[in-house]
Amino acid sequence: EVQLFESGGGLVQPGGSLRLSCAASEFTFSDYAMTWVRQAPGKGLEWVSSISAGSDATSYAGSVKGRFTISRDNSKNMMYLQMNSLRAGDTAVYYCVRDGARYISGLIDNWGQGTLVTVSS
Amino acid sequence: EIVLTQSPGTLSLSPGQRATLFCRVSQTSISYLSWFQQKPGQAPRLLFYGASRRATGSPDRFSASGSGTDFTLSITRLEPEDFAMYYCQQYETSPWTFGQGTKVEI
Repeated sequence: EVQLFESGGGLVQPGGSLRLSCAASEFTFSDYAMTWVRQAPGKGLEWVSSISAGSDATSYAGSVKGRFTISRDNSKNMMYLQMNSLRAGDTAVYYCVRDGARYISGLIDNWGQGTLVTVSS
Repeated sequence: EIVLTQSPGTLSLSPGQRATLFCRVSQTSISYLSWFQQKPGQAPRLLFYGASRRATGSPDRFSASGSGTDFTLSITRLEPEDFAMYYCQQYETSPWTFGQGTKVEI
């Protein structure tokens, strides 16, 4: 069974930074693109960013472009999301999700349990 | 970006009844659509992808259909564990987008 475990969430002030991590196991991490999806409290789901299996391609939602950076380390089975210039509107549970292909396809087939990021003064 | 509109917003039913949920796509026809189930305090779970392809572990009482701009998720006989939020998602064109969700409640 695919395992995805997020960490790094917490309370941060507006304008601050945070780095989320996702530890993957029980599948060949380097064979799959990966994605971050977020969910504001009581709201729906929003795609944030994706990275291809070999890190040769990345994509971002307009709402985070220029502020967030996605990366991965296939030797450690880890994915990261560096979040800078955080705003109140970034408050959400951030989910690490697996894409169903090596390239960024958008087909989400497995989810982690999420980590809560709260941006507040 | 492609906008997905789910209806109804809330579906109030009883165990054993049939549920039918809709997802309408704006502006363009698509083939790549998924359905997710989310229970309170849990991560979403994939039910269907490619509009009608059942994901591993998705119960047989669930079915999905549709093409182009109109898609449907059906639950033939609601079990207590089926009362949850359901989201559709398109992965035809980036940015990948989700519908606002349908809540199936008792």
